[in-house]
Amino acid sequence: NAGVTQTPKFRILKIGQSMTLQCTQDMNHNYMYWYRQDPGMGLKLIYYSVGAGITDKGEVPNGYNVSRSTTEDFPLRLELAAPSQTSVYFCASSYSSASGVHTDTQYFGPGTRLTVL
Amino acid sequence: KQEVTQIPAALSVPEGENLVLNCSFTDSAIYNLQWFRQDPGKGLTSLLLIQSSQREQTSGRLNASLDKSSGRSTLYIAASQPGDSATYLCAVITSGTYKYIFGTGTRLKVLA
Repeated sequence: NAGVTQTPKFRILKIGQSMTLQCTQDMNHNYMYWYRQDPGMGLKLIYYSVGAGITDKGEVPNGYNVSRSTTEDFPLRLELAAPSQTSVYFCASSYSSASGVHTDTQYFGPGTRLTVL
Repeated sequence: KQEVTQIPAALSVPEGENLVLNCSFTDSAIYNLQWFRQDPGKGLTSLLLIQSSQREQTSGRLNASLDKSSGRSTLYIAASQPGDSATYLCAVITSGTYKYIFGTGTRLKVLA
């Protein structure tokens, strides 16, 4: 298994540009997450998904959009990039039973380092 | 609202020392608590997962304990090594939610 893969690894955007961060997992996990990590800080949840076709906002969703058309893929879209979105973005996945009780660990991708100038 | 705090923010110890990292959380109704390791410029690696019904988990030189009633968890590292140098993060998932809440981490440096 490749686990959780993210592309690109690095990207520089100009203010106002848009881009999509790709995330794919091959573990058949139902839950997927997008986090951002600013220097010296913990991770903040942007969006998450409990299964294909179902997404919901996390702590810091403004300026981002997501979709989940398949179990494997969970892309994160930035429509109008702003300097405040300069950060490292992590995608993660996990499995939860039908009851929603989380007993499994989260698996993280290697991250995408984004700079907006 | 669940809040997770980690103390200390940074720690520097000589090689061979036993050490304890602390994590506290405000809402004791959790599904589980996880400890992660993050190396500079890398993603997160799960170290230990403690279910809400458990009191501790062990893996090699690592031992994590959970006291839900007091909202605390500790990560004990025995006989620390320079290779243990990294940032250690704890995260909880509150019951009834699907969201992991992370602490800001403890940056550990083990000196040879």
